Amino acid sequence: AQSVSQHNHHVILSEAASLELGCNYSYGGTVNLFWYVQYPGQHLQLLLKYFSGDPLVKGIKGFEAEFIKSKFSFNLRKPSVQWSDTAEYFCAVAGGSQGNLIFGKGTKLSVKP
Amino acid sequence: GAGVSQTPSNKVTEKGKYVELRCDPISGHTALYWYRQSLGQGPEFLIYFQGTGAADDSGLPNDRFFAVRPEGSVSTLKIQRTERGDSAVYLCASSPNSLAVTQYFGPGTRLTVL
Repeated sequence: AQSVSQHNHHVILSEAASLELGCNYSYGGTVNLFWYVQYPGQHLQLLLKYFSGDPLVKGIKGFEAEFIKSKFSFNLRKPSVQWSDTAEYFCAVAGGSQGNLIFGKGTKLSVKP
Repeated sequence: GAGVSQTPSNKVTEKGKYVELRCDPISGHTALYWYRQSLGQGPEFLIYFQGTGAADDSGLPNDRFFAVRPEGSVSTLKIQRTERGDSAVYLCASSPNSLAVTQYFGPGTRLTVL
């Protein structure tokens, strides 16, 4: 069965610090990978996605993620976080033909101004 | 509307009662998904519709849960004989089709079973 593991439950950073959130998945076939973000009081929004091609994908608001097939990883990065990045971040994988997503437990990011 | 809408936003019910949660997807989206998010967890897949039919209901936890989408647009998730463990946020998402494209999520319905 597919699964997604996010290593950090809660990350606290100061503004301008660099961010890396870990995500590992288990699935043997072709995968489509996603990072979703949930800002306080808002619904889930897509941050970025990987389907194929360049393993380094860029998303909105300066976020990027790198797909490393050999490590089954899809880590999220941002060089310099802002207070407005405070949110919960979810990694997800879609496998098979149905497209339903398997989510990790999420990482809560708190950025101190 | 422009996005996925869900009603009600909050629902409080008593153990043993029946509840219905509604999802209105983005117009024209044929694929519709229901997820459940418990406290401290990521969303968990419940059921997927392609058009009017439930293409995959493998995520429904038991036969107290049922969902319909009779006209291929609005969907209703129905929970019979609610239990305290059903308390969660129920999320709906839609996408233009099922081929692994972006899913657009609604704001969710927070269900509390007392």
